[in-house]
Amino acid sequence: DTGVSQDPRHKITKRGQNVTFRCDPISEHNRLYWYRQTLGQGPEFLTYFQNEAQLEKSRLLSDRFSAERPKGSFSTLEIQRTEQGDSAMYLCASSPGNWREGYTFGSGTRLTVV
Amino acid sequence: SQQGEEDPQALSIQEGENATMNCSYKTSINNLQWYRQNSGRGLVHLILIRSNEREKHSGRLRVTLDTSKKSSSLLITASRAADTASYFCATGRIQGAQKLVFGQGTRLTINP
Repeated sequence: DTGVSQDPRHKITKRGQNVTFRCDPISEHNRLYWYRQTLGQGPEFLTYFQNEAQLEKSRLLSDRFSAERPKGSFSTLEIQRTEQGDSAMYLCASSPGNWREGYTFGSGTRLTVV
Repeated sequence: SQQGEEDPQALSIQEGENATMNCSYKTSINNLQWYRQNSGRGLVHLILIRSNEREKHSGRLRVTLDTSKKSSSLLITASRAADTASYFCATGRIQGAQKLVFGQGTRLTINP
């Protein structure tokens, strides 16, 4: 296992379109996290999963955002009817949980809404 | 919402000097972690210090934690040009969701 993979690395979309991002975590990690980061800011928590269960969603996550983790493996983050304010880096991370170690982050998906 | 606040927001030093970054937080924590981020990339975990620890070392990194002051510091000794990056502290709370809350970061520039 080579780490956390995110796809695509970059996405440019027109306002109003739907986009979907994928994250493949480290296989032994049962926890998976999505964060959003804008330029010059720290990552902001969006949601996280323990296995296939989505345990928490941030208030930042409007109804246009949905995340899934079927079978507790890879995860997808979908944004419907994108807005210019959705432009950001979307980061995925995984961990074994229980604060045994830090998170392993993917390289992120940079979304630009034009 | 951001919990940690890093200080300074930006730091520029000469190669070979030591760099110190500080982090303050608000709530009780289980642990505090430091991450590095090179421009446009994902974050890399550097070190984790638990709430019952006061100091931890990893190579050229030294982290301290003062839970009474709700603060932490990251010291990078003998800095190198490759240390140029943004550094973030992140806190894991005792209760509630096991998620990390990140600060705004310190932008470190090492001048050759």
